[in-house]
Amino acid sequence: EAGVAQSPRYKIIEKRQSVAFWCNPISGHATLYWYQQILGQGPKLLIQFQNNGVVDDSQLPKDRFSAERLKGVDSTLKIQPAKLEDSAVYLCASSLELAGFETQYFGPGTRLLVL
Amino acid sequence: GENVEQHPSTLSVQEGDSAVIKCTYSDSASNYFPWYKQELGKGPQLIIDIRSNVGEKKDQRIAVTLNKTAKHFSLHITETQPEDSAVYFCAASILIGSYGQNFVFGPGTRLSVLP
Repeated sequence: EAGVAQSPRYKIIEKRQSVAFWCNPISGHATLYWYQQILGQGPKLLIQFQNNGVVDDSQLPKDRFSAERLKGVDSTLKIQPAKLEDSAVYLCASSLELAGFETQYFGPGTRLLVL
Repeated sequence: GENVEQHPSTLSVQEGDSAVIKCTYSDSASNYFPWYKQELGKGPQLIIDIRSNVGEKKDQRIAVTLNKTAKHFSLHITETQPEDSAVYFCAASILIGSYGQNFVFGPGTRLSVLP
């Protein structure tokens, strides 16, 4: 079974530029999560989708971050414009369903450096 | 909201010794507690989990205990090996709506197993 795929793996941009990350979850997984992991910290949830609907985006900085999962499969996370404090690893995870004790499977992450 | 604390932040043990990592949580409604291992350059990987109706769970060299009254849970690794060296994260579930869930992660523990 293929895991969660993410691209790019690394990205370096200057502040105020825009950047987008892509995630392809495990086939058949209805729930998709985007996390931000700052160096030395645990992952922090940004947004959670169930199929193509948003379940929780309470911690997403909506003035600069946006995410979509139009067809209920792949997802993109965008930052526009980027700030220095956005430097982090962006992790995508998926799980089979929203309810119950479903295991989350994480991708390798995209490491973003904002200069 | 839920807050998860994790101690120690770093832990060094000799190969063959045991390692214990402790976490506390604040939300009494949390009912699922996974533990993740993150190796350098990779996403977190689930290693063991425990539900609130169970006090202890064991899988080979790894065990997790849960004290719901005190709101703390611990990861125990016995007979540690160099390949156990990684960052370990605990997490606690939070309810979303009537049946969904997502997670709050602890800040992580960097475990080093010395040969």
